[in-house]
Amino acid sequence: AQSVTQPDIHITVSEGASLELRCNYSYGATPYLFWYVQSPGQGLQLLLKYFSGDTLVQGIKGFEAEFKRSQSSFNLRKPSVHWSDAAEYFCAVGVTGTASKLTFGTGTRLQVTL
Amino acid sequence: DGGITQSPKYLFRKEGQNVTLSCEQNLNHDAMYWYRQDPGQGLRLIYYSQIVNDFQKGDIAEGYSVSREKKESFPLTVTSAQKNPTAFYLCASRLVPNTGELFFGEGSRLTVL
Repeated sequence: AQSVTQPDIHITVSEGASLELRCNYSYGATPYLFWYVQSPGQGLQLLLKYFSGDTLVQGIKGFEAEFKRSQSSFNLRKPSVHWSDAAEYFCAVGVTGTASKLTFGTGTRLQVTL
Repeated sequence: DGGITQSPKYLFRKEGQNVTLSCEQNLNHDAMYWYRQDPGQGLRLIYYSQIVNDFQKGDIAEGYSVSREKKESFPLTVTSAQKNPTAFYLCASRLVPNTGELFFGEGSRLTVL
């Protein structure tokens, strides 16, 4: 079964600094990958997704992520963080044609200091 | 606007009571899902449905039940058999059952008193 690891539970960055959130997955085949963001007490919003093709994907709100097959990683990046980016971020993995579910990581909470 | 509506937003229940959480979508999506979210544990799948009148257990189905009588509706019942029901519940849908991203509702927070 596929699994997802987000090794950082909590990250604090200064506004304007760059950001990288880590995500590692475990699965033999090529998965499809997602990053979602969640504000407190709200649902999840899709930031970006990777299915195939270019390994660097662009998302909303200035985020990007890079799929690295050799490292089984799909890290999320943003060159300059804004205070409004403070939220919880979830990486998810799925495999086309299997039992129709996505597996989510445990999330990384981002705090932004002014 | 198309989307997923969950209700109620907040719900309080006494031990031993069943409660039903509503999930309605107008996205014309075939597949619908219920996830449970607890601090530090991410999202765990409770039940999912790929078509009307069919559903499957997820990873933590014990103490929960669902129905899918209409394409747009997928209610979740938290029964008294669920030992630790206090959590944040998220409903999601996607256009095609086996691929693509999930679209989420705003969630329902259930607290057992």
